[in-house]
Amino acid sequence: EDQVTQSPEALRLQEGESSSLNCSYTVSGLRGLFWYRQDPGKGPEFLFTLYSAGEEKEKERLKATLTKKESFLHITAPKPEDSATYLCAVQASANSGYSTLTFGKGTMLLVSP
Amino acid sequence: DGGITQSPKYLFRKEGQNVTLSCEQNLNHDAMYWYRQDPGQGLRLIYYSQIVNDFQKGDIAEGYSVSREKKESFPLTVTSAQKNPTAFYLCASRMHRQGFTGNTIYFGEGSWLTVV
Repeated sequence: EDQVTQSPEALRLQEGESSSLNCSYTVSGLRGLFWYRQDPGKGPEFLFTLYSAGEEKEKERLKATLTKKESFLHITAPKPEDSATYLCAVQASANSGYSTLTFGKGTMLLVSP
Repeated sequence: DGGITQSPKYLFRKEGQNVTLSCEQNLNHDAMYWYRQDPGQGLRLIYYSQIVNDFQKGDIAEGYSVSREKKESFPLTVTSAQKNPTAFYLCASRMHRQGFTGNTIYFGEGSWLTVV
């Protein structure tokens, strides 16, 4: 069974205080690892897809990295507008050629001015 | 603008009543999904559909039903058999290409369902 574990559950940072969110996964054949941002009462907003170990992607203050067991979302010099819940999901290989996403429970990030 | 539209945003259901949540996309995506989100839990898959007139049960399909008569539309009915339907419901879609690794799934804005 595919599993995704995100840590910490919640993180409070001061503006400008860099940190990292962790996503550990076990999956039989990784087809892709996804990061989403979700604001309260809204649908998840796509951030990144990573396909293979060693891959990195950046967007503004966010940088996602991937190893064979986990992914990190690094937040450099965060601002209050980065406050949100960050979701990690994996897409596994399936014999039928179809596959769905398995999500972690998310990390709630609060950045204080 | 291209996107996924869910309606209504807020819905109240009485005990024993069936309700239907609408999901429409104009992204020309092949696959569509319904997820349920509860506080402190990850998104859980209810149903998904890869092509028109075909759909599969997800992890928590009991008490729900779907149809896929058009590529653009994937409505979800929450039946009276669903004993704990109060949750945030998310519709999603993606372009499906056989064997392609990791197509991105995009989400709508969600619908809140509350039992009264």
